[in-house]
Amino acid sequence: KQEVTQIPAALSVPEGENLVLNCSFTDSAIYNLQWFRQDPGKGLTSLLLIQSSQREQTSGRLNASLDKSSGRSTLYIAASQPGDSATYLCAVTGDYGQNFVFGPGTRLSVLP
Amino acid sequence: NAGVTQTPKFQVLKTGQSMTLQCAQDMNHEYMSWYRQDPGMGLRLIHYSVGAGITDQGEVPNGYNVSRSTTEDFPLRLLSAAPSQTSVYFCASSYSKQGRGYTFGSGTRLTVV
Repeated sequence: KQEVTQIPAALSVPEGENLVLNCSFTDSAIYNLQWFRQDPGKGLTSLLLIQSSQREQTSGRLNASLDKSSGRSTLYIAASQPGDSATYLCAVTGDYGQNFVFGPGTRLSVLP
Repeated sequence: NAGVTQTPKFQVLKTGQSMTLQCAQDMNHEYMSWYRQDPGMGLRLIHYSVGAGITDQGEVPNGYNVSRSTTEDFPLRLLSAAPSQTSVYFCASSYSKQGRGYTFGSGTRLTVV
């Protein structure tokens, strides 16, 4: 059974810092991996999707990497801003990408 | 606005009561799914549907029923509510079965007392 973990569970940084969020999964037979953002009381927003054949994806200040063989992904946020404060969820799919297995999330606070 | 609409946003039920959580999307997405989110845990899949008339169980289906009579709607039914079903429920839809283009609803916070 696929299990996804995320470290750290919570992180507080001053504005402007670069930071890394970590995601690990137990079964390397994934179809793809996604990073989501969740704001309090709201749904999830997809940030980056990495196919199993890819090594990384970039969007603006965000960069996600994937090392499928070691079962790890990282989300790098450059020059953090208070607006980045949210919970970040990592999720993997198997079986042709139909369904997600989510990690518990990292709660990020960026202090002004 | 196009998207996934969940109703109600909040609900309190007594143990043993039944209710239906509504989910509707107006994007003509074939794929729809229901997740529950509990504190300290990731979202867990309850049921999913790959098209009208087709549903299947996810990781935690017990105590829940679904049906998909139209492309737009995917209601989740709690047959006899239990305190263990206290959670936040999210509905999602996608145009792709390959994990792309997912849109999540804003969630229903359910408390069973």
